[in-house]
Amino acid sequence: QSALTQPPSASGSPGQSVTISCTGTSSDVGGYNYVSWYQQHPGKAPKLVIYEVSKRPSGVPDRFSGSKSGNTASLTVSGLQAEDEADYYCNSYAGSNIFYVFGTGTKVTVL
Amino acid sequence: QVQLVESGGGVVQPGRSLRLSCAASGFTFSNYGMHWVRQAPGKGLEWVAVIWYDASNKYYEDSVKGRFTISRDNSKSTLFLQMNSLRAEDTAVYYCARVRDYRDSSGKGGFDYWGQGTLVTVSS
Repeated sequence: QSALTQPPSASGSPGQSVTISCTGTSSDVGGYNYVSWYQQHPGKAPKLVIYEVSKRPSGVPDRFSGSKSGNTASLTVSGLQAEDEADYYCNSYAGSNIFYVFGTGTKVTVL
Repeated sequence: QVQLVESGGGVVQPGRSLRLSCAASGFTFSNYGMHWVRQAPGKGLEWVAVIWYDASNKYYEDSVKGRFTISRDNSKSTLFLQMNSLRAEDTAVYYCARVRDYRDSSGKGGFDYWGQGTLVTVSS
């Protein structure tokens, strides 16, 4: 199973928005509404910021939003803040044989 | 508060074995499915294995099937990963992670708590 495709990098100035895409297939992203997004700062464990395509865990700012269209999911971070600078990974359920596939990761830089 | 603490990592020669542990606290461990996820140095995340809350089901990523075994001791709130026949490509930081929704051991709703990770280096 191949990793989901994400752009290697994305950037924006403070206060701006950045959107990260996550492209898979009909066997993963397109087949299930079980896409999650994780934020990872250097040397730290990943943190869940979006689950089930567009839901936010408690404590995650509403600046983080998720969506999906066909085989592509997206994460948008609005009102960029310095602490949003991190790596972001998407993850999709891919059925009971493969279970999960992660994205290639996107480094977000706040200019 | 929820805590997951991994241990057992280290440097091991190719073909040898290692057993990782993940000590859980701050929640009812026996109610939750648990996963192992790894990250090779400078690389992305890779799902490794899942175990149901009651150990009734276990599933593995293809490259570790037959070599790795996930298990748990609910009486000690501890998750394990027995890794045999280790290869250089198994070198990674290994994280244990809890499913967000206790009603779904498979974790389709995401993993809400992660340990700090333990580094496994396979090298001669």
